[in-house]
Amino acid sequence: QKEVEQDPGPLSVPEGAIVSLNCTYSNSAFQYFMWYRQYSRKGPELLMYTYSSGNKEDGRFTAQVDKSSKYISLFIRDSQPSDSATYLCATMGRGNNRLAFGKGNQVVVIP
Amino acid sequence: DTEVTQTPKHLVMGMTNKKSLKCEQHMGHRAMYWYKQKAKKPPELMFVYSYEKLSINESVPSRFSPECPNSSLLNLHLHALQPEDSALYLCASSQEKFSAAFEAFFGQGTRLTVV
Repeated sequence: QKEVEQDPGPLSVPEGAIVSLNCTYSNSAFQYFMWYRQYSRKGPELLMYTYSSGNKEDGRFTAQVDKSSKYISLFIRDSQPSDSATYLCATMGRGNNRLAFGKGNQVVVIP
Repeated sequence: DTEVTQTPKHLVMGMTNKKSLKCEQHMGHRAMYWYKQKAKKPPELMFVYSYEKLSINESVPSRFSPECPNSSLLNLHLHALQPEDSALYLCASSQEKFSAAFEAFFGQGTRLTVV
C-alpha cells in the first residue's frame, strides 16, 4: 500500500469556481501534511501545511486533515487562471526528512 | 534568500559521458535532498544529506553519485546513464530539526536528457 494516494486525474474548472482536491494516507502515525504546488517546468513550492488534524486557511486556500479517516483536502476558492498548476499532497514518511508525495492533480482554471 | 539554485537548467548527455549537477542554498539548512521526477509523476527521493553526511540512499544505482562538499553545496555526479534516467532532477533543502523538516524548499530542477 502506498503511503499517500492521490487520484491523478486532471481537473478543469471555470474561473471563480471552487477547486477541491484530496488524498488519503496509510500511516496513522503521520503528523505533518503538506500541499505543494508545481508549475510546469518548475520545482514544487510549499503551499500550505497542517500539523495533526484540523483546518488551516491562507487567503483563498484551505487545507483540512481528518485523521480519523486518514483524509487530507485542499480547497481553492475563487480560482484564478494563475492557480493552474499541479498540486501534490505530501506527508512525512518513515523517519525524519522523508516526504511521501501523492501522484499530483493537474488543475486548469479556464478564464 | 529562500532560493535553492540548481545548475544547469538543461543537460543533454550521451550514455558514455560524465557530468555533474550542482545545487546551492544559503539558508543555513543542514539537510539537502536529491529527487528524481519523471513526467506527470511525483518526485521520488534519491538521497538525503544531513550535516554533510549521507543519511538516506533510496537504493539508487551507482551510476548516480552524490557529494556534499559543504553545508551549502550538493552535487550529483552522473556516469554511464541510461535513456530511462532522463527526468527532472530536483534538489531541495530544509532545516534539520524534525519539526521543521517539512519546510523543504525546492530548486527549479535540471532537466536531463540521456541520448
